[in-house]
Amino acid sequence: RKEVEQDPGPFNVPEGATVAFNCTYSNSASQSFFWYRQDCRKEPKLLMSVYSSGNEDGRFTAQLNRASQYISLLIRDSKLSDSATYLCVAPNQAGTALIFGKGTTLSVSS
Amino acid sequence: DGGITQSPKYLFRKEGQNVTLSCEQNLNHDAMYWYRQDPGQGLRLIYYSQIVNDFQKGDIAEGYSVSREKKESFPLTVTSAQKNPTAFYLCASSITVFGEQFFGPGTRLTVL
Repeated sequence: RKEVEQDPGPFNVPEGATVAFNCTYSNSASQSFFWYRQDCRKEPKLLMSVYSSGNEDGRFTAQLNRASQYISLLIRDSKLSDSATYLCVAPNQAGTALIFGKGTTLSVSS
Repeated sequence: DGGITQSPKYLFRKEGQNVTLSCEQNLNHDAMYWYRQDPGQGLRLIYYSQIVNDFQKGDIAEGYSVSREKKESFPLTVTSAQKNPTAFYLCASSITVFGEQFFGPGTRLTVL
């Protein structure tokens, strides 16, 4: 299993749709998880942290499933401005640093 | 106004030349990182530093060197030994090595 793996997409959805991304990780002892958003040719920006109890921020919900070793990001009522690449972050197998997934591309159309 | 600065935004160099990319932060973060991103690809870790005067290799350290003489600064040198240096280079910092990372705007390096 890769250390952090995401479905690259692209996910093409209409405005108002609900879309979910999953990200699997290999280090079963992982404690720190994050979701970042990256716009084309820009730096990644923190979207939200992922806690054991889940985390919700407006239209965005992040959840952790330790048994199956994946984290998820749910976006409700998609907006055109949500179009971006979403990167998940988790510790590497050695537990020495965080590593980024390759990202999932979302395209929201009107 | 706290943040991370990288300079320059665009950099052009001739093949065979060493080049140093600047990264400065005033967030008082202990940990700093350098990543490389190629078109359509994810971020790959080059080097990271948990504290001053200490740094560790990431997944793709060959052909790169760093220093961490000050808490605020973590410059990256791309040496002539790096086979394909043209890429987008991102610097980040965090309070601890497993904390939320905050990124600078990046430097686009093109080697001609």
